[in-house]
Amino acid sequence: DSGVTQTPKHLITATGQRVTLRCSPRSGDLSVYWYQQSLDQGLQFLIQYYNGEERAKGNILERFSAQQFPDLHSELNLSSLELGDSALYFCASSVGRDRPTYEQYFGPGTRLTVT
Amino acid sequence: GENVEQHPSTLSVQEGDSAVIKCTYSDSASNYFPWYKQELGKGPQLIIDIRSNVGEKKDQRIAVTLNKTAKHFSLHITETQPEDSAVYFCAASMRTGFQKLVFGTGTRLLVSP
Repeated sequence: DSGVTQTPKHLITATGQRVTLRCSPRSGDLSVYWYQQSLDQGLQFLIQYYNGEERAKGNILERFSAQQFPDLHSELNLSSLELGDSALYFCASSVGRDRPTYEQYFGPGTRLTVT
Repeated sequence: GENVEQHPSTLSVQEGDSAVIKCTYSDSASNYFPWYKQELGKGPQLIIDIRSNVGEKKDQRIAVTLNKTAKHFSLHITETQPEDSAVYFCAASMRTGFQKLVFGTGTRLLVSP
């Protein structure tokens, strides 16, 4: 168990809908990363937050957005869903408040299926 | 940007044999190279990592080597066991705590009893 939690575990929704994925980082970790894992694209970085602020953006579509709240949990919002958005979405956390660690620890993921 | 290539895509070994997975990276500024193990239905699990000021690191049956000049790094698993069967990913980043990981395409390792 990495200490990173994600909910829900599974999501099935229809095209055009909007969903929200939630992530709670390891206790004390300030940085949250979101990754998408699909069969054709592999593990791709989407976006990173540090202590509530956006730090880096990767291959994130404009239909997707994220935020990190004062309690450090993060949400990834996916809207106008398309079939191609079906994938596993992982959250990872790193950078503890009192420890200069750089390792990223991944949650169990949310499997999104768009029908 | 950084690009990481990983080989082989699949690897089948007999229990007790050694397994080697190789990765190359493109950005000479990368200095942190973790390896993740992903079992079916689970998230990637960090199993070992290496910094660019180190050439080799071992942890029990697992070792990672890094050749900065050639920009490649490898994962070595000795005395493989059936529970080592999983997909293994290499990754690269700049070790600042604020950098994304760029992943290889993964290696499916199958260890047969």
